Amino acid sequence: GNSVTQMEGPVTLSEEAFLTINCTYTATGYPSLFWYVQYPGEGLQLLLKATKADDKGSNKGFEATYRKETTSFHLEKGSVQVSDSAVYFCALRARQGGSEKLVFGKGTKLTVNP
Amino acid sequence: DTAVSQTPKYLVTQMGNDKSIKCEQNLGHDTMYWYKQDSKKFLKIMFSYNNKELIINETVPNRFSPKSPDKAHLNLHINSLELGDSAVYFCASSYGESGELFFGEGSRLTVL
Repeated sequence: GNSVTQMEGPVTLSEEAFLTINCTYTATGYPSLFWYVQYPGEGLQLLLKATKADDKGSNKGFEATYRKETTSFHLEKGSVQVSDSAVYFCALRARQGGSEKLVFGKGTKLTVNP
Repeated sequence: DTAVSQTPKYLVTQMGNDKSIKCEQNLGHDTMYWYKQDSKKFLKIMFSYNNKELIINETVPNRFSPKSPDKAHLNLHINSLELGDSAVYFCASSYGESGELFFGEGSRLTVL
């Protein structure tokens, strides 16, 4: 079946540090890939997405590139802020069992200290 | 205006009780979902409805029964609550199965 594996947290960084959160996937066919973010006490929000190989999704200084050869979609940000503290979820969407399903990784909690 | 709203936000109840969580979206979407997030933040889809028809029904105990009276509403009823049902339940909606998901703020259920 389809699955997403992302690095276990928690991740703690100082403000302005470089961030990488690794994400790899297993899927049949050609999935779309996503990063969602969950701020404390809130629901998930779409952060960025990529729908085909070599696409780069970007938003709010975050980037991720769809790498088919390594089945990866790592999230990066050059300089994190305290306001980036949240849980980040990698996800894929692919057809499975006759319907499209969004499958999430286990989430990585990021804490950014001033 | 909240796009996807769930009520109640917090629910504390005893084992064996029956409870419902309601969800409404005002985005004009035709597909709605229920997800369960456990204490380790793991998110798992439970149900998905498209135009009031059930399209995803994951392996969920039949104590959980979703009901979609119309495209804008998807309610979740849980019978005979168990300790393991304690979690945060998220409602979401999208336009079609391929659309971006918009999530509600979650309903935290605690079963004592």
